Amino acid sequence: AQSVTQLDSQVPVFEEAPVELRCNYSSSVSVYLFWYVQYPNQGLQLLLKYLSGSTLVKGINGFEAEFNKSQTSFHLRKPSVHISDTAEYFCAVREGGFKTIFGAGTRLFVKA
Amino acid sequence: ETGVTQSPTHLIKTRGQQVTLRCSSQSGHNTVSWYQQALGQGPQFIFQYYREEENGRGNFPPRFSGLQFPNYSSELNVNALELDDSALYLCASSAGSMGEKLFFGSGTQLSVL
Repeated sequence: AQSVTQLDSQVPVFEEAPVELRCNYSSSVSVYLFWYVQYPNQGLQLLLKYLSGSTLVKGINGFEAEFNKSQTSFHLRKPSVHISDTAEYFCAVREGGFKTIFGAGTRLFVKA
Repeated sequence: ETGVTQSPTHLIKTRGQQVTLRCSSQSGHNTVSWYQQALGQGPQFIFQYYREEENGRGNFPPRFSGLQFPNYSSELNVNALELDDSALYLCASSAGSMGEKLFFGSGTQLSVL
């Protein structure tokens, strides 16, 4: 069965510093991988996705993620964060069926 | 193009009551899925509708039911509400039943007292 583990529940970081949000998944077959962002009182918005091809995926707002099949990881990175990046980030996996499984989320808090 | 809209935004019910939540999908999308997001948790898949038929369901009891209409809008119905049903309910639409990108609404915050 699919599962998604986000290794950090909260990540505090100073503005303009780099950040990495970690995500591991388990699945016995090929998967699609996603990162979504949720701002307060809003729904989720897609940051980026990995379907196939290049393992380095670039998304919106300067975020990127790298798919590592051997480590079953899909960590999200940004070289320099802004105050406006403060939000909840969700890693998700989909096995090609109808069901997308989300991790518990990582709260990114950017400090001035 | 219009995005995914949900109504109402907030709702307060008492235990044992029934509730109906509504969702209008993004223009051109024929698939709607519903998620329950408890406080401090990630969204949990409830079910998905494709062209008015339920084509997938998560680990939720039968008192969670839904409908999809010919215009692809959708309803989520929950009977016999329990305190643990208090959560943010998110609707997401996509193009096709295998459409990988989900477009989310802002959700309905349900409180069960």
